[in-house]
Amino acid sequence: EDKVVQSPLSLVVHEGDTVTLNCSYEVTNFRSLLWYKQEKKAPTFLFMLTSSGIEKKSGRLSSILDKKELFSILNITATQTGDSAVYLCAVEAEKNDMRFGAGTRLTVKP
Amino acid sequence: SAVISQKPSRDICQRGTSLTIQCQVDSQVTMMFWYRQQPGQSLTLIATANQGSEATYESGFVIDKFPISRPNLTFSTLTVSNMSPEDSSIYLCSVDTGPGQPQHFGDGTRLSIL
Repeated sequence: EDKVVQSPLSLVVHEGDTVTLNCSYEVTNFRSLLWYKQEKKAPTFLFMLTSSGIEKKSGRLSSILDKKELFSILNITATQTGDSAVYLCAVEAEKNDMRFGAGTRLTVKP
Repeated sequence: SAVISQKPSRDICQRGTSLTIQCQVDSQVTMMFWYRQQPGQSLTLIATANQGSEATYESGFVIDKFPISRPNLTFSTLTVSNMSPEDSSIYLCSVDTGPGQPQHFGDGTRLSIL
């Protein structure tokens, strides 16, 4: 059965800290891995990863995929209170549907 | 990316009633998806809605409970039928904007059943 496992489930840090969020997966016919940020209701897209070893960056956020070991990490440097959210990892298979992990709830304290 | 409008934004309903959620996209898309997010949980795919064909439902979800319409390439509706408190969730639509592109989500509908 396909599964996506995120860790940790929750994390509390202070502003300026660096955090690493983990996502491991077992999916048949893998196409891509995606990271989303969910603050209220709507998940907003962060990264889409399809190839191993290629780091994607957007400001203080970066992500990389390892298709051999079946995991991805999301790094956030110099965290700010606005980074507080649930970060969702999702894996897309050939049917175009996505399977989501449980999410990591990040709280950044001033 | 596509602009996706979902309504209502939230609703409080009585058990036994039904509610239809609308999802409107500002461009034509082939595939639209409906997800449910129960309190404290992650997103679970309910069904995939393709224009011109019946929706494809995931295990655990049936058409009688969650009928879906997809009358054209920019619009879809999800109805939550005969609601019970267990249906209290956030319901989200998303669209696939093309090969190699990520799915983008509407703002979601927060549904509470009393």
